[in-house]
Amino acid sequence: QKEVEQNSGPLSVPEGAIASLNCTYSDRGSQSFFWYRQYSGKSPELIMSIYSNGDKEDGRFTAQLNKASQYVSLLIRDSQPSDSATYLCAVGNNRLAFGKGNQVVVIP
Amino acid sequence: DGGITQSPKYLFRKEGQNVTLSCEQNLNHDAMYWYRQDPGQGLRLIYYSQIVNDFQKGDIAEGYSVSREKKESFPLTVTSAQKNPTAFYLCASSTLAGTSGAEGTQYFGPGTRLTVL
Repeated sequence: QKEVEQNSGPLSVPEGAIASLNCTYSDRGSQSFFWYRQYSGKSPELIMSIYSNGDKEDGRFTAQLNKASQYVSLLIRDSQPSDSATYLCAVGNNRLAFGKGNQVVVIP
Repeated sequence: DGGITQSPKYLFRKEGQNVTLSCEQNLNHDAMYWYRQDPGQGLRLIYYSQIVNDFQKGDIAEGYSVSREKKESFPLTVTSAQKNPTAFYLCASSTLAGTSGAEGTQYFGPGTRLTVL
């Protein structure tokens, strides 16, 4: 079974700091990589997608992909209280495997 | 206004009862998916469909059934054979990877929270 690991426990960051989230995956054939944000009691919403090695920036978010090492990361710059949520990593080709998520708490 | 709708938002099931969760999309997406999320857990795939009148089992299909009679609709039935159905159910849809440049990005509906009484 394809696995996606998000091993870090809850992450607390001060407002304005950088939050860094990591994700590793087992299927080397994966072509599509996504980060979703999920607020408590709500459905996941897409915040970043990345398909090729390197960095992709979108506003305060940067996704980094390294297919050789099979990891994808997400950086949140200038963290805001509204960034407090669970972040899900998803990997695959059409059929996606999801990690269990990392909870981020931004402290004002 | 394009999007994915799920109904009902909350659903209560008695023991031995079958219930059906609705999922409709007007995004013209070919693929649709059903996931289950338990507290503190990631999403687990129940069923998915990439074309009308065809669907495949996901990782936890036992006790569930689906149909795909229309491109826009992908209802999920939770049968009495599912022994622990209390969970948050999420429907998603996507284009197929390689067809539009969006590489299979999945978009989610608001979810249905099912509770067994």
